[in-house]
Amino acid sequence: DAKTTQPNSMESNEEEPVHLPCNHSTISGTDYIHWYRQLPSQGPEYVIHGLTSNVNNRMASLAIAEDRKSSTLILHRATLRDAAVYYCILSPKDSGGGADGLTFGKGTHLIIQP
Amino acid sequence: DVKVTQSSRYLVKRTGEKVFLECVQDMDHENMFWYRQDPGLGLRLIYFSYDVKMKEKGDIPEGYSVSREKKERFSLILESASTNQTSMYLCASSLFYGRGDNEQFFGPGTRLTVL
Repeated sequence: DAKTTQPNSMESNEEEPVHLPCNHSTISGTDYIHWYRQLPSQGPEYVIHGLTSNVNNRMASLAIAEDRKSSTLILHRATLRDAAVYYCILSPKDSGGGADGLTFGKGTHLIIQP
Repeated sequence: DVKVTQSSRYLVKRTGEKVFLECVQDMDHENMFWYRQDPGLGLRLIYFSYDVKMKEKGDIPEGYSVSREKKERFSLILESASTNQTSMYLCASSLFYGRGDNEQFFGPGTRLTVL
């Protein structure tokens, strides 16, 4: 399976933008890029996903490099409630008969300073 | 909003006991999953199910079994609990089978301690 590499932790100030990087140099042409986050004492929650083009939703934006070997999750204005572990995950477009579960790495621990 | 609920937030059992963890989703999703989460190891897939009475092994199925008698309910069973099964257990569901753009919805987790 294609792997992702993320920094162990990042720190940002409240009300400032946050850019969370993810490297996935062995991504295949049909892998989706997903981002999930896990707040303390909760299950993971979906943030955003994309394939080739940049994506925006109410939570965040996803910027995908032209060669798709890296991506960046952008939180436009961080709040204290955004402090969480953020996971970048690849998921095959057509998982066929194989497991459809997601492979979570260690993620990036985002710390928000007031 | 999709809701995935798990029967307990915290559970304490003794070695050798049979343990049932229940998960229910309310959005008619085809897929359901059981993961465990341990410090330093991330989330690991135990079993998943893409339909009623269908199940597939994930990465770490040893010591576990599952049951899916109804579409909305997916149970994880520890036939004889052991201390190395102390962990956080997370249930998830997603809409379609075999789609890489599926969003997974997670429950709040059950923290199981086996003494």
